[in-house]
Amino acid sequence: GQSLEQPSEVTAVEGAIVQINCTYQTSGFYGLSWYQQHDGGAPTFLSYNALDGLEETGRFSSFLSRSDSYGYLLLQELQMKDSASYFCAVTLMDSNYQLIWGAGTKLIIKP
Amino acid sequence: IAGITQAPTSQILAAGRRMTLRCTQDMRHNAMYWYRQDLGLGLRLIHYSNTAGTTGKGEVPDGYSVSRANTDDFPLTLASAVPSQTSVYFCASSPGQGNVDTQYFGPGTRLTVL
Repeated sequence: GQSLEQPSEVTAVEGAIVQINCTYQTSGFYGLSWYQQHDGGAPTFLSYNALDGLEETGRFSSFLSRSDSYGYLLLQELQMKDSASYFCAVTLMDSNYQLIWGAGTKLIIKP
Repeated sequence: IAGITQAPTSQILAAGRRMTLRCTQDMRHNAMYWYRQDLGLGLRLIHYSNTAGTTGKGEVPDGYSVSRANTDDFPLTLASAVPSQTSVYFCASSPGQGNVDTQYFGPGTRLTVL
């Protein structure tokens, strides 16, 4: 079946850099997305990788390696407001463009 | 521009009752989705609609139905609620098949079935 694996929780210090990994088992997909969700809030889109390599958007970067079935989200210069859950998701080719989601990684930032 | 609105914000419902969760978007997006999110878990797709007039089943469709009479509205109905349907329900939309990977979410409906 199709699945995505993420660590359930990651802890980092304010101002530091943190990497959240996502490994997947899928038969074929269009791209890997990342979403952020604060407690009690709705998911919001962060980034999307259609091709292998690094995509940078301000303090956030996302990476995809199809050959390794692996991607990650990199957050730099961590701020307390970055404390949230982060979800990776893939768009499957044979699913009417639906997203399949990982269970999410809770990022805890300490001062 | 409101984006996506959902109603109600929260609801406590007796088991066996019928309930419709409302979702409206003003972005003229073609595709719309309903997800449920249970504590500590990711999002699971219930139903989707790629365009007005069409709907499809997601990962967990049992006990739920949807309709898409127009572009803006995508209501989700629980015909006879059961306690296992206690969850947070999110409606989402995306521009269309050419850009389906960016989904925009409503604020969610917290539903408790007793």
